[in-house]
Amino acid sequence: DAGVIQSPRHEVTEMGQEVTLRCKPISGHNSLFWYRQTMMRGLELLIYFNNNVPIDDSGMPEDRFSAKMPNASFSTLKIQPSEPRDSAVYFCASSTKDRSVEQYFGPGTRLTVT
Amino acid sequence: AQSVTQPDIHITVSEGASLELRCNYSYGATPYLFWYVQSPGQGLQLLLKYFSGDTLVQGIKGFEAEFKRSQSSFNLRKPSVHWSDAAEYFCAVGSWDSNYQLIWGAGTKLIIKP
Repeated sequence: DAGVIQSPRHEVTEMGQEVTLRCKPISGHNSLFWYRQTMMRGLELLIYFNNNVPIDDSGMPEDRFSAKMPNASFSTLKIQPSEPRDSAVYFCASSTKDRSVEQYFGPGTRLTVT
Repeated sequence: AQSVTQPDIHITVSEGASLELRCNYSYGATPYLFWYVQSPGQGLQLLLKYFSGDTLVQGIKGFEAEFKRSQSSFNLRKPSVHWSDAAEYFCAVGSWDSNYQLIWGAGTKLIIKP
């Protein structure tokens, strides 16, 4: 299994630009999570999906952030417009109850907004 | 309220010495407990997990953890650390009926002295 795949691995963009982060979960997993990690705030859950349906988006910072999961093998996290304070590492993780809720993480996308 | 506490932000240990990282949790349901490790610039990797049964669980890289229900603790141990163990360690708790969510500790950064 290839594990959770995220792209791009690094993204540098200017303030005001749209940023799209991508995630492919492990095949057969039915839950997907988006996390953000910063030095100041640590690991924060942004949103998670069960069977492609968003269950809890209370961690999404504001309306500039949106996430979609059009099918079981793909999800996006979009920031529009981006701001310098969005600079962080964004992780995607997937899980299935068949594996007792443990989460498998992707390598992350390091986002820098200048 | 559900929470996970890792009381030590940083721990410094000499190479070859023993290690114990503390984790305490507050959780309403029967917990599933996890330890993850994050090496610099990497995603989070599962070290070990506890669901039920033997309260002493073995993980990868020579780590073990002991679940103590009476103390609401799940401390991580290693008898002899190696320089390659320098990383950040996260404790997390979830349950079968948690709708897949994990509650995360703030992490403990392990520094190895030569």
